[in-house]
Amino acid sequence: AQSVTQLGSHVSVSEGALVLLRCNYSSSVPPYLFWYVQYPNQGLQLLLKYTTGATLVKGINGFEAEFKKSETSFHLTKPSAHMSDAAEYFCAVRLNTGFQKLVFGTGTRLLVSP
Amino acid sequence: DSGVTQTPKHLITATGQRVTLRCSPRSGDLSVYWYQQSLDQGLQFLIQYYNGEERAKGNILERFSAQQFPDLHSELNLSSLELGDSALYFCASSVDTRNTEAFFGQGTRLTVV
Repeated sequence: AQSVTQLGSHVSVSEGALVLLRCNYSSSVPPYLFWYVQYPNQGLQLLLKYTTGATLVKGINGFEAEFKKSETSFHLTKPSAHMSDAAEYFCAVRLNTGFQKLVFGTGTRLLVSP
Repeated sequence: DSGVTQTPKHLITATGQRVTLRCSPRSGDLSVYWYQQSLDQGLQFLIQYYNGEERAKGNILERFSAQQFPDLHSELNLSSLELGDSALYFCASSVDTRNTEAFFGQGTRLTVV
């Protein structure tokens, strides 16, 4: 069965600093990987996804993530944090076969200080 | 706006009661997923329907059930409610199960008192 580990339940950065949110996955077959963002009192919004092809994936709001099979990682980065990036971020994995559900990590809350 | 509509947004009910949460998927989406988000369990997959048929089941309690209707909307029924059932319940939809992208609704916040 697949699983996701997000290191750090909270990450604090200053505005303008690099954002790095870590995600490691476990999957028996090549996975599809996702990052979702949840703003307070909102649903989950897809930031970006990796399915096949290029391992560096660009998403919305300046975020990107790189799929590294050798490290089973899919870390999320943004060069320069903005106050509006403060939210909870979820990494998710699903298998690329059949009827498969998304399995989510426990989430990382990003705090951005001025 | 993801295009997935969930009603109601908030629900407060007493222990032992039964509630129904409703989800209208995005136009054209055949697959509906239900997730529960709580502080102690995180985001947990409950159940998935595809074109009216149950396709996958997760950590769904026997007191909970769901269905997907011919018009593709889905309902999640929660019965004999307990305090621990208080959570945010999300519905998501996708075109089909091979499609990789699921779109989430705003959720229904259930509070059991």
